[in-house]
Amino acid sequence: AQSVTQLGSHVSVSEGALVLLRCNYSSSVPPYLFWYVQYPNQGLQLLLKYTSAATLVKGINDFEAEFKKSETSFHLTKPSAHMSDAAEYFCAVSDQSQEGGSYIPTFGRGTSLIVHP
Amino acid sequence: IAGITQAPTSQILAAGRRMTLRCTQDMRHNAMYWYRQDLGLGLRLIHYSNTAGTTGKGEVPDGYSVSRANTDDFPLTLASAVPSQTSVYFCASSATSGGTDTQYFGPGTRLTVL
Repeated sequence: AQSVTQLGSHVSVSEGALVLLRCNYSSSVPPYLFWYVQYPNQGLQLLLKYTSAATLVKGINDFEAEFKKSETSFHLTKPSAHMSDAAEYFCAVSDQSQEGGSYIPTFGRGTSLIVHP
Repeated sequence: IAGITQAPTSQILAAGRRMTLRCTQDMRHNAMYWYRQDLGLGLRLIHYSNTAGTTGKGEVPDGYSVSRANTDDFPLTLASAVPSQTSVYFCASSATSGGTDTQYFGPGTRLTVL
């Protein structure tokens, strides 16, 4: 069975500071991992995904995440926060552990990123 | 290309009433999903469909039903709404159910059951 834990329901940073959003996963097989962003009153959009190629994955808007198998982590980082990065961020994991062999993603509970001027 | 459309945008519904949330995609994706989003609980999968003509139950299927008569449409029905079904509902699709595919989300339907 797969699961995702996002540490911290809220993360607050100053504009220009490093952004670090934590995600740990549990999976019985090599997983596929995703980060999605949700801006207010919108649906989710893909930021980046890991699909067993390079362990350091670069996404849109200068976000990146590193897959660390030994730590079962897939933390999201950005060197310098912008006001426009304020949003809800979701980590998701999928592996072939669903009934019928489907790869249906399981989402974390989300982390709200607050950016102060 | 519109992507995924959902209707209605929002709805207030009396308990006990029947309600169908509509979802249409124009990307010819095989897989479609319904999630509910509640504060502090993230997204929880209600039902999914790997391809037209097939459906499956997710984490929280009770009180909901779906059908997938064709590739584009995936309606979600609440047979007899209850207040605990107050939530924001998101429809999503992906090219396949193969795990590496990106999910594309609609704008959501905000449902309030009184």
